[in-house]
Amino acid sequence: GESVGLHLPTLSVQEGDNSIINCAYSNSASDYFIWYKQESGKGPQFIIDIRSNMDKRQGQRVTVLLNKTVKHLSLQIAATQPGDSAVYFCAENVNNAGNMLTFGGGTRLMVKP
Amino acid sequence: DTGVSQNPRHKITKRGQNVTFRCDPISEHNRLYWYRQTLGQGPEFLTYFQNEAQLEKSRLLSDRFSAERPKGSFSTLEIQRTEQGDSAMYLCASSPPGARRTGNTIYFGEGSWLTVV
Repeated sequence: GESVGLHLPTLSVQEGDNSIINCAYSNSASDYFIWYKQESGKGPQFIIDIRSNMDKRQGQRVTVLLNKTVKHLSLQIAATQPGDSAVYFCAENVNNAGNMLTFGGGTRLMVKP
Repeated sequence: DTGVSQNPRHKITKRGQNVTFRCDPISEHNRLYWYRQTLGQGPEFLTYFQNEAQLEKSRLLSDRFSAERPKGSFSTLEIQRTEQGDSAMYLCASSPPGARRTGNTIYFGEGSWLTVV
């Protein structure tokens, strides 16, 4: 299928290593953030979210860190697997904007076996 | 499959022609969204429906674009007089009524690819 990430920054990691994907956001009013995974030819898939009253949230093999001071978000993937290879997007939301999301530019993660 | 369904999945059209995409949200999801995604970019919000009411439209949605959700179920996105710059993937998403503002209640379809030649 077509790729949505032909010109994206790429992070290449060895299988089993940890991955860190970064995202900068610009809207100080954003108070809710989501990381999505998008595989080739598919729509975005929810990974993990975090509200602005938190600075860290953990899921299964994933951790999101939020630094509101510098408007920075990161996604950490532990023990990266080949199935994690995809394009990762952060998205932000403002409280009075319902579920409308503003997406960042994305990072392609390539996992080497 | 009970996910968000979009069709056609791929459409190639000549510049100046009209195209229409259809989105069938997850059953009983009253909120429906259209996004556009170009190569190398994240999705960009186009418009939002709650039931049949179109409550929000992005400035990206020029007057050549029109979206409808006549019965509050499926939605259509029509692009008139297509231009090469319209080439993109058009994503539909839905979420249930009363959903808290959580990302895992927003479900995206697999998108409809448009190529304007």
